[in-house]
Amino acid sequence: EAGVTQSPTHLIKTRGQQATLRCSPISGHTSVYWYQQALGLGLQFLLWYDEGEERNRGNFPPRFSGRQFPNYSSELNVNALELEDSALYLCASSLALLAGGPDTQYFGPGTRLTVL
Amino acid sequence: SQQGEEDPQALSIQEGENATMNCSYKTSINNLQWYRQNSGRGLVHLILIRSNEREKHSGRLRVTLDTSKKSSSLLITASRAADTASYFCATDHTGNQFYFGTGTSLTVIP
Repeated sequence: EAGVTQSPTHLIKTRGQQATLRCSPISGHTSVYWYQQALGLGLQFLLWYDEGEERNRGNFPPRFSGRQFPNYSSELNVNALELEDSALYLCASSLALLAGGPDTQYFGPGTRLTVL
Repeated sequence: SQQGEEDPQALSIQEGENATMNCSYKTSINNLQWYRQNSGRGLVHLILIRSNEREKHSGRLRVTLDTSKKSSSLLITASRAADTASYFCATDHTGNQFYFGTGTSLTVIP
């Protein structure tokens, strides 16, 4: 069974540009989560999508946005890039929300975004 | 912040020794999970322990949970060089959002 895949592996942009990161969940998973891991910091929750809808978002400005497609893949868009957006962006997927909490999240390899 | 906090920040041991790392959190949880991350790559899920469980085992891993102290520990027995990685605990408080700490960096010296 294929795991969570993310593309691209690396992305280099300049300040002010837009970045688009993509994620394909494990087959059968309907929930997709995005996290940012900046250097020296823990993972910060960004966004959660389930069944095509945004269910929750972390403490990030509106220039961080995304969407989930009918096939449950997802895009993360970062507009007006700033230097501090440089980080590893991790996508995770899980089965549908279950009573008592979501199932285990399975992570992709990440996209390393560098903003120059 | 609801983020878990791992302790210690860094740990260096000899191959064959046991490694213990701890995680503390502030508010009640549904479950707690431990993940491993190698060299800035994606996370690998290790083990999940629910709030009504006290201990779980998986191979050389042993996780305990003390909800009264709001803490968990991860024990890796008979460590190997390949166990060198960062280890994170993630707490699920609301059923839809995980909070990660900054991790424990484990180095196993051959």
